[in-house]
Amino acid sequence: DTGVSQDPRHKITKRGQNVTFRCDPISEHNRLYWYRQTLGQGPEFLTYFQNEAQLEKSRLLSDRFSAERPKGSFSTLEIQRTEQGDSAMYLCASSPRLAGIYEQYFGPGTRLTVT
Amino acid sequence: AQSVSQHNHHVILSEAASLELGCNYSYGGTVNLFWYVQYPGQHLQLLLKYFSGDPLVKGIKGFEAEFIKSKFSFNLRKPSVQWSDTAEYFCAVFSSGSARQLTFGSGTQLTVLP
Repeated sequence: DTGVSQDPRHKITKRGQNVTFRCDPISEHNRLYWYRQTLGQGPEFLTYFQNEAQLEKSRLLSDRFSAERPKGSFSTLEIQRTEQGDSAMYLCASSPRLAGIYEQYFGPGTRLTVT
Repeated sequence: AQSVSQHNHHVILSEAASLELGCNYSYGGTVNLFWYVQYPGQHLQLLLKYFSGDPLVKGIKGFEAEFIKSKFSFNLRKPSVQWSDTAEYFCAVFSSGSARQLTFGSGTQLTVLP
């Protein structure tokens, strides 16, 4: 049973650099979500894909953030011109295509540190 | 906008004590409710969920939660905690009437002393 995987697990970058994270959802899950979690807080929604279509984006997702899911399988989240405030855990989750099933399965996250 | 409140930020219990963690949400429509757990060094795992029907739901590892619609609450309970229950617990709400996202509370850190 392979769960949601994320790569890399840790990323340290200097302010101003671009970073890209990858998420591989559970096979055949058509819904994919990105969240951000900072210390002492619960995860906050960033964006949602159904298959390859990006259907929802949070106000938290500034113009420096972009997410893609080109073939409806894996997804990437890119942050351009990183800022120290971007330091957080970036979580990916997926859920199955079954109607009425909204539980989400989370990956281990990518911890980003911007110095 | 929907929101979730977890009023206990840190709870410390001795083994065998009973546990109740509070969760209140603000949304008047149909909701799906979840408790997730994050053990030290591990990722978020689903503990239990409520979609409809019996408001008392049972999850893994002896946990249960009761949905009280009139109080907008979904409190987590366990009659007797173990040291291995030490973890952070998150309540989350999914409302089909709004964006297809989970809204999480800020979490409760549970420490169980052996």
